[in-house]
Amino acid sequence: DAGVIQSPRHEVTEMGQEVTLRCKPISGHNSLFWYRQTMMRGLELLIYFNNNVPIDDSGMPEDRFSAKMPNASFSTLKIQPSEPRDSAVYFCASSFRLAGGQETQYFGPGTRLLVL
Amino acid sequence: GNSVTQMEGPVTLSEEAFLTINCTYTATGYPSLFWYVQYPGEGLQLLLKATKADDKGSNKGFEATYRKETTSFHLEKGSVQVSDSAVYFCALSDLGYSTLTFGKGTMLLVSP
Repeated sequence: DAGVIQSPRHEVTEMGQEVTLRCKPISGHNSLFWYRQTMMRGLELLIYFNNNVPIDDSGMPEDRFSAKMPNASFSTLKIQPSEPRDSAVYFCASSFRLAGGQETQYFGPGTRLLVL
Repeated sequence: GNSVTQMEGPVTLSEEAFLTINCTYTATGYPSLFWYVQYPGEGLQLLLKATKADDKGSNKGFEATYRKETTSFHLEKGSVQVSDSAVYFCALSDLGYSTLTFGKGTMLLVSP
């Protein structure tokens, strides 16, 4: 299995630009998660989907952030407009949700975003 | 709410030393507990997990025991290697929920 695939691996952009991060989950998985990792705040859950439907987006920082999952094999996280404080590593993870939860999440390699 | 507390790092050890990274948790239900490892420049990988009290998770020489009475899930390894240098995250998933609550991570540095 190829694992969770994220693109791009690195992104450098200027403040005010739109940034789109992409994720392909593991085939057969029905849950997808977007995380952000920074030195100051550690690992934060931004949003998660189950069967392509957003279940919890309470971690999305503000309206500049949006996420979509148009089908079971693709998700995007968009930041518009980007700001320097959005600089972080963004991880996508997927899992197969079992009854009662507690399944294992598998992480992608992350996208390192730098907003100048 | 749920929370996970890990010892702050970095933890610096010599090769073949014994490792303990402390992890305690607070949860409203009956959580499953996990240790993830993040090598430099990579995503998180599941290291081991335990789903109920007194379970012991183990992998690659690492082990952790789910202690409900002390709400702890300490990570141990008898003899660390340089290749174990990484950041280790303790996490919990509460019954009925898919989301993970992570600790802040503990960096381990192993020198030859």
